[in-house]
Amino acid sequence: QSVLTQPPSVSGAPGQRVTISCTGSSSNIGAGNDVHWYQHLPGTAPKLLIHGNNNRPSGVPDRFSGSKSATSASLAIAGLQADDEADYYCLSYDNSLSGAVFGGGTKLTVL
Amino acid sequence: QVQLQESGPGLVKPSQTLSLTCTVSGGSISSGRYYWSWIRQPAGKGLEWIGRMYTSGNTNYNPSLKSRVTISVDASMTQFSLRLNSVTAADTAVYYCAREICSRGSCYFGRYFDLWGRGTLVTVSS
Repeated sequence: QSVLTQPPSVSGAPGQRVTISCTGSSSNIGAGNDVHWYQHLPGTAPKLLIHGNNNRPSGVPDRFSGSKSATSASLAIAGLQADDEADYYCLSYDNSLSGAVFGGGTKLTVL
Repeated sequence: QVQLQESGPGLVKPSQTLSLTCTVSGGSISSGRYYWSWIRQPAGKGLEWIGRMYTSGNTNYNPSLKSRVTISVDASMTQFSLRLNSVTAADTAVYYCAREICSRGSCYFGRYFDLWGRGTLVTVSS
């Protein structure tokens, strides 16, 4: 069981907007640690989509956005495209573990 | 451009030691800005942080694996390694090495992985 909780799956039609939630606790997200998001396709390295809660690395489209509040965070994907179909993971730091903690991952299906 | 590449045996017998190396090309582990980590993903499951090392040699490990894990740096400062003892089938996974950086320029806000290797599959089986 992952320290951060994500829904196992979400889906949406092309062009729609979907959100993926990530819920933590007072020892990680609630302790003021930032949340980061990755897109992961099988057989490849995870791709950083959002760092520092809402910052996009160069090359990541502005269709991807992040937000954080209290002990949770969200990733929003607007204008869904077929190649957005992937697994998405949230990441934060846990002060009790002194280490990184991931969400269990959310599989995005583009209908 | 800095790149990371994992290498090591793809098959390990139960009870033996899993050993992997991450080669850092185009850069050096000696840069004080970064930490160097190992992460794994068992088939059909999520990502799990294994542990990290800093250039000083300091290490932090996931408590669930701490008793079996060692992460160390090569004297060349261009490779770091993972050793996991007493492996079982539950240790079968894709193993990634990654570079870790402080969020928003300060570890006060936590850390994230800004660069990953492509991963290597390690199967534990007799």
